[in-house]
Amino acid sequence: SQQGEEDPQALSIQEGENATMNCSYKTSINNLQWYRQNSGRGLVHLILIRSNEREKHSGRLRVTLDTSKKSSSLLITASRAADTASYFCATDGNSSYKLIFGSGTRLLVRP
Amino acid sequence: DSGVTQTPKHLITATGQRVTLRCSPRSGDLSVYWYQQSLDQGLQFLIQYYNGEERAKGNILERFSAQQFPDLHSELNLSSLELGDSALYFCASSAERGYEQYFGPGTRLTVT
Repeated sequence: SQQGEEDPQALSIQEGENATMNCSYKTSINNLQWYRQNSGRGLVHLILIRSNEREKHSGRLRVTLDTSKKSSSLLITASRAADTASYFCATDGNSSYKLIFGSGTRLLVRP
Repeated sequence: DSGVTQTPKHLITATGQRVTLRCSPRSGDLSVYWYQQSLDQGLQFLIQYYNGEERAKGNILERFSAQQFPDLHSELNLSSLELGDSALYFCASSAERGYEQYFGPGTRLTVT
């Protein structure tokens, strides 16, 4: 079974709007990572947040982590058509450093 | 460009055959990971190597095997292929365990 589950499964917004994706996981973690995947292509690493961090920023991306709720959110501000992709959260679990991926959120940004 | 390279990009083969997928990690990265992405199973971790040694195993079938060579490149061998093995196979590398994993472009395997 997958460690992380993203919500929503699909999201359609207008260019310029903000997009928020959520991820929930089951076991304790050392870190959580977010990735982007354009259709059928490789995964692009977006951001890593460690279990002792609560918030992290990278450009238009803002990631939060709530270990008490075992959840994370990815906010993309001022979205662009080029942000259209699938977004995955991945956790490493507490005893292993392999990544366990959620099912992803498909984001469509309409121009 | 993540710095991780994978060859070939595409592979079409018949059931029962054996193929080898190759991965070169980013310069300096000691850890290599293999993942399989299929429509029904999503992204699944297969196996991890660290500096030539197997460190973690996931949902890897017995028909599949991997190794990491002294120059740190890695190969994933898939044998007795079945239609269900058709998927995207990704390699990723990281400097150390617990650090960011950077993914290659993947090999798309089609078994006919």
